Amino acid sequence: GENVEQHPSTLSVQEGDSAVIKCTYSDSASNYFPWYKQELGKRPQLIIDIRSNVGEKKDQRIAVTLNKTAKHFSLHITETQPEDSAVYFCAPIVAYGNKLVFGAGTILRVKS
Amino acid sequence: EPEVTQTPSHQVTQMGQEVILRCVPISNHLYFYWYRQILGQKVEFLVSFYNNEISEKSEIFDDQFSVERPDGSNFTLKIRSTKLEDSAMYFCASSVIYEQYFGPGTRLTVT
Repeated sequence: GENVEQHPSTLSVQEGDSAVIKCTYSDSASNYFPWYKQELGKRPQLIIDIRSNVGEKKDQRIAVTLNKTAKHFSLHITETQPEDSAVYFCAPIVAYGNKLVFGAGTILRVKS
Repeated sequence: EPEVTQTPSHQVTQMGQEVILRCVPISNHLYFYWYRQILGQKVEFLVSFYNNEISEKSEIFDDQFSVERPDGSNFTLKIRSTKLEDSAMYFCASSVIYEQYFGPGTRLTVT
């Protein structure tokens, strides 16, 4: 089955700095790559995603980049704010209707 | 904006009792899922459901678990005889194609 790893497991940044979280997956058939944000006690919230035919996607302060050859994709957050503090999960998928396979999560702390 | 809803938000039950967790997926979605998250851990897949049948299930989803779509709007997860290790947050999700949207979860506590 799919093996998904995230790095780092925790990340502390100063407000205004950038944060990068990397996700490595094993199944070369994966073709959809989402990132979820989960605040304490809340639901996982889809914040950005990318399909396999695209290398990069940006939405305001967040972006996702994909390297299919190396089988990893990354979440980039610029100009971090305290409200970005949360756990971030990657969850690649092979085909629509299939299960999301979650990474172990990255705790992001933004210090003001 | 439509959202997935779940009831109850918190369920406390005794070991060996049956529980039913309820979900209302987003109305035009076709694929439905249950996931669970033990406190402090990652989200784990339980089961996916499409066209009124299970399309995939994980090892966690044993004979004690079942899912049903009793009408056009509800999607339920039943645990027949709960164990202490079933204590977790249970999330329902739904999708049209790729993007899966999660409900707020039901916190299940088995005592």
